[in-house]
Amino acid sequence: SAVISQKPSRDICQRGTSLTIQCQVDSQVTMMFWYRQQPGQSLTLIATANQGSEATYESGFVIDKFPISRPNLTFSTLTVSNMSPEDSSIYLCSVVLGPIEQFFGPGTRLTVL
Amino acid sequence: KQEVTQIPAALSVPEGENLVLNCSFTDSAIYNLQWFRQDPGKGLTSLLLIQSSQREQTSGRLNASLDKSSGRSTLYIAASQPGDSATYLCAVSRTSGTYKYIFGTGTRLKVLA
Repeated sequence: SAVISQKPSRDICQRGTSLTIQCQVDSQVTMMFWYRQQPGQSLTLIATANQGSEATYESGFVIDKFPISRPNLTFSTLTVSNMSPEDSSIYLCSVVLGPIEQFFGPGTRLTVL
Repeated sequence: KQEVTQIPAALSVPEGENLVLNCSFTDSAIYNLQWFRQDPGKGLTSLLLIQSSQREQTSGRLNASLDKSSGRSTLYIAASQPGDSATYLCAVSRTSGTYKYIFGTGTRLKVLA
């Protein structure tokens, strides 16, 4: 398995501002993803964070709203830009190891006022 | 488009009961299926991974089975305990080469002491 940490664990932000979430893994991993979990709902994949190239976004998510960086194989950031209350969610990073088993970080709980 | 549904949405049982959680998916062309546990406000913990060539996996009191042809997986929890109270999520990934997971709607389990 992998030890995955996220910062911050939670935050309360004002409408119109941006927040950058960090994800750190204790080993080098190829596959890293960002998910969103809106209140009372299941997880939705935002994008695949690619090392050395632009992230690959899922339908409904765009780079201007959710810019992602992946400078190396152990670290990634997700920025939630120009936030609105609808962005209030838990944001989770995940990695894939071994025989395609996925592991998740503890999540970042974001509340937008 | 793959859709993953979990039944029941919520379940409350007395301690000691054996229980079954269900996961169904509309497209049987999956690569693997993974069961997760999520405690309130927290990230996901991987419980069991079933690869496409496997029919079941066991870990302690947990047993997960997979029937691709019928689009179903079940998670069996033996001798349930209050510490098992959590939301249980199943997730499926498509064919090899992509590690994107589609998550089910979740089952909220409460085990009463």
